[in-house]
Amino acid sequence: DQQVKQNSPSLSVQEGRISILNCDYTNSMFDYFLWYKKYPAEGPTFLISISSIKDKNEDGRFTVFLNKSAKHLSLHIVPSQPGDSAVYFCAASRPSSNTGKLIFGQGTTLQVKP
Amino acid sequence: DAGVTQSPTHLIKTRGQQVTLRCSPKSGHDTVSWYQQALGQGPQFIFQYYEEEERQRGNFPDRFSGHQFPNYSSELNVNALLLGDSALYLCASSLFPGQGTTEAFFGQGTRLTVV
Repeated sequence: DQQVKQNSPSLSVQEGRISILNCDYTNSMFDYFLWYKKYPAEGPTFLISISSIKDKNEDGRFTVFLNKSAKHLSLHIVPSQPGDSAVYFCAASRPSSNTGKLIFGQGTTLQVKP
Repeated sequence: DAGVTQSPTHLIKTRGQQVTLRCSPKSGHDTVSWYQQALGQGPQFIFQYYEEEERQRGNFPDRFSGHQFPNYSSELNVNALLLGDSALYLCASSLFPGQGTTEAFFGQGTRLTVV
């Protein structure tokens, strides 16, 4: 039962352009969403999060959009840089229910070409 | 400020053996969660410890057990290792839900290979 899905295993973009990574979820009880970036041989690094009471959150080059009705979130990276090349995971949780358990998607490998 | 530290970084064990992995959480965090990441997959939640008690458990057999110490550090134990237990084991630290931001910070992981 895959509650969080990232349907694109990989994405390739040119340096300077926008990268858009997508994530879908099935459980409407999720109320907090996070994006993590992972380089090989390292643990996931927290990027940005969004609460279900918002539909957008920005942090520098990274913006996360949440569409609750569609149960869909996306991460926009503008402009993309070669150092952004990594595996990106979206994750969902229900902190309002005192559960810090994160449910992860399968990941999307982003390649930013110089 | 040290982040989340895990030891060892790599480990090779024989099928049927037992293994213990260790984690020290980020300073100021009181909750430790463990995840298993198989190749090509996202991390899967094993269990979470807070106040030295297991608070939540994912869909993992009883061969997987853990412990949290008074200084908030934690251990993950796996008994009767199977080849399928080969994976990257990640420790994540956070504040307990409801106590502040819920972002979890991960260690670099322990790569366990069972042969």
